[in-house]
Amino acid sequence: GAGVSQSPRYKVAKRGQDVALRCDPISGHVSLFWYQQALGQGPEFLTYFQNEAQLDKSGLPSDRFFAERPEGSVSTLKIQRTQQEDSAVYLCASRPIQPGTQETQYFGPGTRLLVL
Amino acid sequence: KNEVEQSPQNLTAQEGEFITINCSYSVGISALHWLQQHPGGGIVSLFMLSSGKKKHGRLIATINIQEKHSSLHITASHPRDSAVYICAVSSVKTSYDKVIFGPGTSLSVIP
Repeated sequence: GAGVSQSPRYKVAKRGQDVALRCDPISGHVSLFWYQQALGQGPEFLTYFQNEAQLDKSGLPSDRFFAERPEGSVSTLKIQRTQQEDSAVYLCASRPIQPGTQETQYFGPGTRLLVL
Repeated sequence: KNEVEQSPQNLTAQEGEFITINCSYSVGISALHWLQQHPGGGIVSLFMLSSGKKKHGRLIATINIQEKHSSLHITASHPRDSAVYICAVSSVKTSYDKVIFGPGTSLSVIP
C-alpha cells in the first residue's frame, strides 16, 4: 500500500510569500504529526492531530504557521509571510491507531522549503 | 541540556567495520526509536523498542531502561549504510506519545 506522501517535494519561496504544504497520511491513520527539520539537526515537533482535532500546536514557532486537517485525513501546513529562518525540511508522519499504544510513526519524504 | 543526545555526531568507517552509535535520554519514555534518513530522502523507522534487544539483518538495537541508554550496532558495514541515524523517544509526558528526536549521527561508510 501507499505510504505517507507529501507535496510539493521542493518549494522555493520569496520572502513574504505564503506557502502551503500538503500531507497525505496512510489511509485510516488516526494520528498525524508535523515536524520541522533544520539543516544538520533532528526533527522538531510542530503540531499533532488526532483525526480532525488539533490536540497540540505547542511547537508552531509563530502565528504565521497554521495547520489543518478538516476531514481527518489530508493535512495542510500553511506558512504565511515566509521568512528566511523558515527554510527547512517539513516532515509529516502518521500513526495507525489510538495514542497510548505502542506503534511506530510512518514518515513522509518531506518538503524541502527554501525561502530566498 | 537536550533531552535526547547521540554520539558520535559524525562517523566514518571502512566497509566491513562494526559500527556503534549511542543514544542517551533524560525523560521518561514509553518507547525508543531508531530511524534512518538518507540525503534528500524521508525517514525510515528501523526499530522501536522498550526493553532488551532487537535484530534485523545486520542491524542490532539495544536499550537499557535503568541507564536511559540505547545503542545501534551495524555489523559488516556497507557503503549503502551511509545515512543519518536518528534516535528518538516517545515521551510519557503527553497522552499521545510525543516523539522527541536526537540530533542524528551522520555515518559514512567508505569502500
